[in-house]
Amino acid sequence: NAGVTQTPKFRVLKTGQSMTLLCAQDMNHEYMYWYRQDPGMGLRLIHYSVGEGTTAKGEVPDGYNVSRLKKQNFLLGLESAAPSQTSVYFCASRRLGSYEQYFGPGTRLTVT
Amino acid sequence: GIQVEQSPPDLILQEGANSTLRCNFSDSVNNLQWFHQNPWGQLINLFYIPSGTKQNGRLSATTVATERYSLLYISSSQTTDSGVYFCAVEQAGYSTLTFGKGTMLLVSP
Repeated sequence: NAGVTQTPKFRVLKTGQSMTLLCAQDMNHEYMYWYRQDPGMGLRLIHYSVGEGTTAKGEVPDGYNVSRLKKQNFLLGLESAAPSQTSVYFCASRRLGSYEQYFGPGTRLTVT
Repeated sequence: GIQVEQSPPDLILQEGANSTLRCNFSDSVNNLQWFHQNPWGQLINLFYIPSGTKQNGRLSATTVATERYSLLYISSSQTTDSGVYFCAVEQAGYSTLTFGKGTMLLVSP
């Protein structure tokens, strides 16, 4: 099993550009999450999904959209990137009935 | 929302030393996890420990839920233990984790 994978690993955007980050998991987990990590801030939840076709806002959702059209994929979109969205983005998944979250390797995004 | 505070924020050890990391949380939880983020950025599950004590090799963790804290013990530290240690908690009725800001550990040879 590959576990949780994220695409791309690195990306540089100009202010105003858009992009989509892809998270994929092959563990048949029901729950999926998107976090951002900034220096000294720990991880903060952006959006999450408790099942295919469902999404919900986390702590810092502004400027991001998500979609969960397939159970194994969770997409994070930036419609108009801003320098404040420069961060490392982590995806995680979790099986229904279990508490443990499993993380992908992260995507480092720089917005200039 | 629930507050999670970790201490100390930074820790420097010589190889072979022992250390204790602390996580305080402001409300009752039904899920507490410890993670290690290695220098390459990968987040690794260490313990799922909403209460009680667990051990895994040189690492052990204790959560006293009634007093709202958890401790992570690292014995005979090695350079590979370096990185950031995060505590994260989940309250009943939620399906999301709230993370502390982490403890950055540097183990020197």
